[in-house]
Amino acid sequence: DSGVTQTPKHLITATGQRVTLRCSPRSGDLSVYWYQQSLDQGLQFLIQYYNGEERAKGNILERFSAQQFPDLHSELNLSSLELGDSALYFCASSLRWAGLYGYTFGSGTRLTVV
Amino acid sequence: QQQVKQSPQSLIVQKGGISIINCAYENTAFDYFPWYQQFPGKGPALLIAIRPDVSEKKEGRFTISFNKSAKQFSLHIMDSQPGDSATYFCAASYSGAGSYQLTFGKGTKLSVIP
Repeated sequence: DSGVTQTPKHLITATGQRVTLRCSPRSGDLSVYWYQQSLDQGLQFLIQYYNGEERAKGNILERFSAQQFPDLHSELNLSSLELGDSALYFCASSLRWAGLYGYTFGSGTRLTVV
Repeated sequence: QQQVKQSPQSLIVQKGGISIINCAYENTAFDYFPWYQQFPGKGPALLIAIRPDVSEKKEGRFTISFNKSAKQFSLHIMDSQPGDSATYFCAASYSGAGSYQLTFGKGTKLSVIP
C-alpha cells in the first residue's frame, strides 16, 4: 500500500456522462498530481494542486476539472465523457514539490466509457 | 516540445542477464531524471533518480548512467530476475516552474525469463 488512496478502482459509464474520481494523498503530503495513462499516449500530466491551490496545468481538457479540499483530498471531475477518455487515471502526492524524492502514486482508477 | 523518448518498447532478458533501457530528452532545462517501475494493476513506483551533476548513480542492482552532452540517460538492471518483470518508465522534470511535473517516456515492458 503506497499510502495514496484512489476511489473507485473501476468505473464504467456511458458517453456524455460525468464522473468524479477521488484521491486521498499520503499523510502529510501537501501536493497532489493527476495523470492520465493510456496505451497510445502513455502517462500524461493533467494538473497539480499544492495545499489547496492550483500549481500547474498540463494537457487537461476543458471538460475536465479538479480541486483540492481543505483536508487535502482531491477530486478530478470528468464531464461530457467520450470514448477516448477511457484510460487509467492516477493520482500522486508529495510533501511539497517532488524534488529529488519523487512522487508516490496511487493504484489508479480505470475508467471505461461505453 | 518537451519530450522524452524511450527505447526499446519491449525487452526480453534471460535470468541473470543485464537489462538496458535508454531514454533521450530534448529540453536542456530538465534537472531531475527519475525511473519508475510499474507492475500490472499498480501505480508507478519510484525506482531510482539522478540529477545532471552526476554521471552515474547506483542502487543495488539498478544503475542510472547519464550523458548530459548527448542528452541521454539509461537504466541498467544487473543480474535481472523474474521479479523484475514490469514496465519501466523514464521521466524528466525541471524545477524552474516549482511544480516538478514529470514528462514520461512511453515505457518499456521488461520480461525476464528463467
